[in-house]
Amino acid sequence: AQSVSQHNHHVILSEAASLELGCNYSYGGTVNLFWYVQYPGQHLQLLLKYFSGDPLVKGIKGFEAEFIKSKFSFNLRKPSVQWSDTAEYFCAVNEKGADRGSTLGRLYFGRGTQLTVWP
Amino acid sequence: NAGVTQTPKFQVLKTGQSMTLQCAQDMNHNSMYWYRQDPGMGLRLIYYSASEGTTDKGEVPNGYNVSRLNKREFSLRLESAAPSQTSVYFCASSRDREQYGYTFGSGTRLTVV
Repeated sequence: AQSVSQHNHHVILSEAASLELGCNYSYGGTVNLFWYVQYPGQHLQLLLKYFSGDPLVKGIKGFEAEFIKSKFSFNLRKPSVQWSDTAEYFCAVNEKGADRGSTLGRLYFGRGTQLTVWP
Repeated sequence: NAGVTQTPKFQVLKTGQSMTLQCAQDMNHNSMYWYRQDPGMGLRLIYYSASEGTTDKGEVPNGYNVSRLNKREFSLRLESAAPSQTSVYFCASSRDREQYGYTFGSGTRLTVV
């Protein structure tokens, strides 16, 4: 089974600061990678995803992530955060080409990183 | 709006009571999932259903049962609630192809006293 590590449990930034949230996964094969965001009191929403191609992926609200295969990493970045970015961020991975009977579509989630942005 | 609908949004149970959490999706997705979310633990998979008529255990299935009633609906049942089941429960669905992510419901906040 996969494991997904998010090294930062809680990140506190001031508005306009730059953000980078780390995500590493354990699977040695080919993967699809996702970042989800959960605003306070809401459900998880897809922020961005990587399937193939350009390892630098751009998502909504100015977020981007870079897939570095050699490091098994998919770090989330934003050049200048806003107060409205305060939320919990989850990295998730699934295996490309997984056997349909066992791990079909199944996402493995990290434990999440709480981002607090002070105005 | 299309998506995943969960009911109820909030519930308080006494230890030993039973209840069923309902989930329905209108996106014609084959796969559906139940997760629980606890502080510092992220999302943990309880059960999933790859297609109508099939269900499989996830990471934390003990104390729960599920029913995939039809393609749209996937319910989660707590037969005898325990305080350890106090959590936020999310239902999700996905298309067959593995490269698609999930669409999540808005969650059920369950407290067992």
